Formats: sequence, C-alpha cells, structure tokens
Amino acid sequence: GQQVMQIPQYQHVQEGEDFTTYCNSSTTLSNIQWYKQRPGGHPVFLIQLVKSGEVKKQKRLTFQFGEAKKNSSLHITATQTTDVGTYFCAGKGGSSNTGKLIFGQGTTLQVKP
Amino acid sequence: NAGVTQTPKFQVLKTGQSMTLQCAQDMNHEYMSWYRQDPGMGLRLIHYSVGAGITDQGEVPNGYNVSRSTTEDFPLRLLSAAPSQTSVYFCASSGGLAMDEQYFGPGTRLTVT
Repeated sequence: GQQVMQIPQYQHVQEGEDFTTYCNSSTTLSNIQWYKQRPGGHPVFLIQLVKSGEVKKQKRLTFQFGEAKKNSSLHITATQTTDVGTYFCAGKGGSSNTGKLIFGQGTTLQVKP
Repeated sequence: NAGVTQTPKFQVLKTGQSMTLQCAQDMNHEYMSWYRQDPGMGLRLIHYSVGAGITDQGEVPNGYNVSRSTTEDFPLRLLSAAPSQTSVYFCASSGGLAMDEQYFGPGTRLTVT
C-alpha cells in the first residue's frame, strides 16, 4: 500500500539556523499537505501543494513538491523558538476515489535559544 | 462554530472493556477520519468516511469499528480494548474527500491497562 516516509525524525538546531524536512512517497501523489503540531496539541494545517514542481512560501517557510509528485520538502529559514513542534507531511494517492490521506512519521524540531 | 470536538479528553480502560470515542463537527464536512498517534509512528489512519452511510478502512483498522449515521458524527468503537490500543486518538474532518485542509479535534488520550 501507499507509504509516506519522512526524514529526519528529529532535528535540533540553534535559533537562527535553517531547517529542512523531507517527505518521500512510494507512489505518485495527487496532492501533498503539511501540518504542524505543537507539543501537547493537535495537527494544524499549513499548506497544500497540488502541481508538479510547485513551490509555495509562507514567510520563512518554503514548501516544494517534486517534479514526479513523489516527494516534497519543507524548509524553514532562520528558525525561531516559535517553530518548535512536529511537522508532518500527508499525501493522497493518485487514485481520486480512495479518500485515504496518509501521514508521514513526522519530524520533531527543537530550537535552542 | 465549535469545529471538531472529541470526547472524552482522557480515558483509562481495562483490557477487554469496550468504549466509544465520540467525534462531532459542525462545519457540514463530508469527509471524516480517525487517526491514532504513537511515538515515532506519526499519525496512522484507522477508518475514514466520505459521507453519511459510507465508511472504509484505513491503515490500521483491526480492533476498531466505525459508523456514520449523520454528517456531523463519526464515533469510533473499541469492542475489546487491548494494551496495544493505548494511544492518542485524533478525529479530523474536511470539506472534500482528502483533497482539502483537514481540521483536527483536540484528541483523546486513551490508556489500556
């Protein structure tokens, strides 16, 4: 079945350093979503990418969707302590009728002030 | 709008007991789903529903039952709880299949002893 792998599992950075998490799917995705979960909280939607090669930016966050629609990345420039949390990617397979949104294992980001 | 609500917030069960985790949304969303979150495993899809009367299995459906008699409610039933079902359970909803932003509830932390 469809699998979504995310690396790294953990990342510790000094405040001001950059951070990147990568998401890879075993199958072609129709879309990819990114979520952030603060410690003790629930996942909150950040963005959705649909087109091959798409790049979207939200302030210091840059999201990319691979040309083959099987991988994606989230890059944070100049991390801040407010960026602490776990970042998840989630993808839906190429078949439009399955309805299954599969999440990666997440990358937990710690930022040292 | 209350969004997605889940009850209870915390629950302790003994092995073999049954219970129902409640999930409700007031956004008239067609798509609803249940995930469990375990350390290092990310969010794993248990069951999902694309509309009232329609449910389907996710990645880890064994030991869980669902039904969708109304658009608003999507309860998750544990028929005979096992320690392996100790987890945090999240319910989510979205306006259109799995292509739209998922709104998550606050979660239910379940411990099975």
